[in-house]
Amino acid sequence: GAVVSQHPSRVICKSGTSVKIECRSLDFQATTMFWYRQFPKQSLMLMATSNEGSKATYEQGVEKDKFLINHASLTLSTLTVTSAHPEDSSFYICSVSGDWTEAFFGQGTRLTVV
Amino acid sequence: GDSVTQMEGPVTLSEEAFLTINCTYTATGYPSLFWYVQYPGEGLQLLLKATKADDKGSNKGFEATYRKETTSFHLEKGSVQVSDSAVYFCALSPNTGGFKTIFGAGTRLFVKA
Repeated sequence: GAVVSQHPSRVICKSGTSVKIECRSLDFQATTMFWYRQFPKQSLMLMATSNEGSKATYEQGVEKDKFLINHASLTLSTLTVTSAHPEDSSFYICSVSGDWTEAFFGQGTRLTVV
Repeated sequence: GDSVTQMEGPVTLSEEAFLTINCTYTATGYPSLFWYVQYPGEGLQLLLKATKADDKGSNKGFEATYRKETTSFHLEKGSVQVSDSAVYFCALSPNTGGFKTIFGAGTRLFVKA
């Protein structure tokens, strides 16, 4: 398996500012990571696939200029929410996949934009 | 495309009652199937999984059997506890590489003492 760590676990930011969320694979070199978003009392929706050394692949309806993903190394992917607004408040969670029969998830980041 | 449909909640049960949460899926090929649990304010925890037809996943008294003929993966537990109160997500991964996970809508379970 893999141990996945997200940071921060909670963040509050002011409207209009940007916030960066880190997803680290602590014991596995991940060429692919996934970013999900969960609105309150709703399911998790895939936002994008993060590929090491190349551009992320975004799901339909996700603004790539608003949600910047950087996967510069095999152990770190970052999601930056740019010019955040209250409607961006959500729970963001990443996962790592490899040659196993399951994905491994981080503990999630709760973003509140005020 | 691939999708997961699970029963709507919330489900409210008394302690020691029998639990069933229905889940059906649509997928091409042979996906892996999962149940995840999310406790209030926390991230996802894998509850159980099954990777091929007729496999039974089990953990902490919960069980689910991969039924390809009915494309189902229903979650069951014989006697629920208050501590089982959480949101349960049925999910699949298409097994086409990369393990993108597709989630159902989630079912919130409340267990009363």
